[in-house]
Amino acid sequence: DGGITQSPKYLFRKEGQNVTLSCEQNLNHDAMYWYRQDPGQGLRLIYYSQIVNDFQKGDIAEGYSVSREKKESFPLTVTSAQKNPTAFYLCASSISFLGENYGYTFGSGTRLTVV
Amino acid sequence: AQSVTQPDIHITVSEGASLELRCNYSYGATPYLFWYVQSPGQGLQLLLKYFSGDTLVQGIKGFEAEFKRSQSSINLRKPSVHWSDAAEYFCAVGLISGGYNKLIFGAGTRLAVHP
Repeated sequence: DGGITQSPKYLFRKEGQNVTLSCEQNLNHDAMYWYRQDPGQGLRLIYYSQIVNDFQKGDIAEGYSVSREKKESFPLTVTSAQKNPTAFYLCASSISFLGENYGYTFGSGTRLTVV
Repeated sequence: AQSVTQPDIHITVSEGASLELRCNYSYGATPYLFWYVQSPGQGLQLLLKYFSGDTLVQGIKGFEAEFKRSQSSINLRKPSVHWSDAAEYFCAVGLISGGYNKLIFGAGTRLAVHP
């Protein structure tokens, strides 16, 4: 079945360390997205990518970095510069088709905890 | 600017009762509209989407939504709630912005179901 796989489901990080969250999709979608979710704050866009080797900052990109070397993969690195990284991270993808918005398909999320 | 408002942060209903979750949007044209559901610790699952045409849209899990252009609303309904419907529900507006599919999410409504 096609879908988005996020790994790991739970991740613990010591303060001052970088950590990378994996997101892989086999839906053949062009666009991919990373969101951060905190209790009571809904979803906030971190980065998005429309095509391979291109990505754009979202609303809260500071302290995060991404790469898009393959269409299927869009890993997110949470750097030590991110002041409050403990959160639930969601990856999503969508068909990038001019003139229509079919919505996103989401992965099951990674919960990152800084200890 | 585009925005989505879900006026109810928390709603509690009894099992078997009917449900209506409210969603209002601000957008200059008729947008793409979506309802997603999120169970605890999981990703978002698409319940239904509205693009155009009939104002009553059927979704999965027995949900439906009614689009009202005059009120800029798309409220989610279910005639009889099951305990498994307890989750968080997000309304979203879909745009085409800068050539990519953008979703603007509401803050969500958390639904609790009493036996």
